[in-house]
Amino acid sequence: GAGVSQSPSNKVTEKGKDVELRCDPISGHTALYWYRQSLGQGLEFLIYFQGNSAPDKSGLPSDRFSAERTGGSVSTLTIQRTQQEDSAVYLCASSLQYYGYTFGSGTRLTVV
Amino acid sequence: KQEVTQIPAALSVPEGENLVLNCSFTDSAIYNLQWFRQDPGKGLTSLLLIQSSQREQTSGRLNASLDKSSGRSTLYIAASQPGDSATYLCAVRDRGSTLGRLYFGRGTQLTVWP
Repeated sequence: GAGVSQSPSNKVTEKGKDVELRCDPISGHTALYWYRQSLGQGLEFLIYFQGNSAPDKSGLPSDRFSAERTGGSVSTLTIQRTQQEDSAVYLCASSLQYYGYTFGSGTRLTVV
Repeated sequence: KQEVTQIPAALSVPEGENLVLNCSFTDSAIYNLQWFRQDPGKGLTSLLLIQSSQREQTSGRLNASLDKSSGRSTLYIAASQPGDSATYLCAVRDRGSTLGRLYFGRGTQLTVWP
């Protein structure tokens, strides 16, 4: 597609439920990032996929968070047993290797 | 580990002023540096990308420079307008890490008043 697409744009979930956030990168982009941004805070790195290399998972805050990238394209970020501190905007970005990044509009997650 | 710092954290100016936003990074081994704009509640919009071999990039009223050896970049905004009000983020693509990870500063929150 023309840009990075994220879905849903907004998600409200009850504490303890699992959620899945989806990212469709720009076609052909080999690199894909997930970040999150809590209210009034900076960007927090979560996970990075680059081609067929093992992903950099060093930013995942706990084992409740996982992500996969199928076929080198679509990525899903899964949060299990959501907590209120997981409330944030989750941003996805993609790029060609070693070039600039294009960000999606984000998914606003609210855990109640 | 790469660290990116942006100064100032916030800036409030009257319309028409020329502005300079600063970004510094600790490791000069980078592939590129990218400036983004973020409006409240929105995602990030790329403004300018400077590859490590380049010294500057220009787009309209925006000019970004890169001095890789000293670990500095500046974003120059000419003739500022209220519509320029946003948070400006600097990010470097690090050559030192295996996968060329992107590191962000915390941003400069700019307010341009009429």
